[in-house]
Amino acid sequence: SQQGEEDPQALSIQEGENATMNCSYKTSINNLQWYRQNSGRGLVHLILIRSNEREKHSGRLRVTLDTSKKSSSLLITASRAADTASYFCATDAGGKLIFGQGTELSVKP
Amino acid sequence: DGGITQSPKYLFRKEGQNVTLSCEQNLNHDAMYWYRQDPGQGLRLIYYSQIVNDFQKGDIAEGYSVSREKKESFPLTVTSAQKNPTAFYLCASHQTGTNEKLFFGSGTQLSVL
Repeated sequence: SQQGEEDPQALSIQEGENATMNCSYKTSINNLQWYRQNSGRGLVHLILIRSNEREKHSGRLRVTLDTSKKSSSLLITASRAADTASYFCATDAGGKLIFGQGTELSVKP
Repeated sequence: DGGITQSPKYLFRKEGQNVTLSCEQNLNHDAMYWYRQDPGQGLRLIYYSQIVNDFQKGDIAEGYSVSREKKESFPLTVTSAQKNPTAFYLCASHQTGTNEKLFFGSGTQLSVL
């Protein structure tokens, strides 16, 4: 079962534009995490937001969490070609981390 | 890849053969995970272990087995019962506390000959 589902599945933008990805989940959570994966590699942790937080920033990343709607969004500002990757949200579900299907982001120079 | 080592990077399995994927961590983390990723898809949880000598099935455990005899090691065996094993396998260890996150290995691509 997939706890989190990302939207859109794929996103193509020009360098310098902002990219927004959304994640919806089904059950109550303690926190929600976002990860990045370059093709053929392992995932790298980007940011964690706790259930009692509504917004968090890290560099060019901005994450929001709406627990009433069971959704989160990841905003990458001023995107670069190097941001091209797949992005996944992950939620804890009874002691295990469950990942969504991911958003494939392509940033064209 | 943050202290998680997966080997081999590529693995080929013949029909009816069991193969074992290695995962070692030097981060002193208690919990470790195995995920399967099919092309263009998300990660699906196979098995996880929250402490040595204990592990639980994930969402797609059928055809797989694990052991956790040492804190540093969490090998995954893909058995002959797994009829569609071709996938990218990812191992992770779990850092808990205020800076909670998963550290992933670089993955093993398993293909069927």
